[in-house]
Amino acid sequence: AQSVTQPDIHITVSEGASLELRCNYSYGATPYLFWYVQSPGQGLQLLLKYFSGDTLVQGIKGFEAEFKRSQSSFNLRKPSVHWSDAAEYFCAVGAGNTGGFKTIFGAGTRLFVKA
Amino acid sequence: EAGVAQSPRYKIIEKRQSVAFWCNPISGHATLYWYQQILGQGPKLLIQFQNNGVVDDSQLPKDRFSAERLKGVDSTLKIQPAKLEDSAVYLCASSSPKGKKDGYTFGSGTRLTVV
Repeated sequence: AQSVTQPDIHITVSEGASLELRCNYSYGATPYLFWYVQSPGQGLQLLLKYFSGDTLVQGIKGFEAEFKRSQSSFNLRKPSVHWSDAAEYFCAVGAGNTGGFKTIFGAGTRLFVKA
Repeated sequence: EAGVAQSPRYKIIEKRQSVAFWCNPISGHATLYWYQQILGQGPKLLIQFQNNGVVDDSQLPKDRFSAERLKGVDSTLKIQPAKLEDSAVYLCASSSPKGKKDGYTFGSGTRLTVV
């Protein structure tokens, strides 16, 4: 079974600074990897996903993530953070075949942005 | 395209009472999920439907939780009787059979408080 770990419960960055949120997964093969964002009182919105191909994937809102097989990581990055990026970010791992495909979510990292 | 609709947005009940949540997925999405998100945690899958059949309900506390998806469209999740530890946000998500590997579309959730 797959699992996912987000080591940082919360992170604070200054507006305009760069951001990296960490995600480590455990799975025997290459899983489907996702990053979602959740603003207060809202559901989760998909930022980006990876399964194969280029290990650097681009998402919405200027986010990107890099898959590193050797480190079992899929870290989320943004070069310049905006105040509106303050939210909770969830890394997720999906695996299984069509009928039994299951997605497991990490515990989340809350991002605070200071002026 | 309309998103995943959920109601109510908020619900406060006393312990041992019953409560029901409703979800209307994106039109044409055959797969529907109910997740429970306890404060400070990532979403945890409760039940997954493929059309009107249950694919995975291994994490559903069946002594108090039940869910149905009649006609393979709308779904309801019921808790009876509720316990204090059921306080959480209940998220509904949907995906097309081919799209589950592309990520899910989430509703805004129902925040349940059990007092």
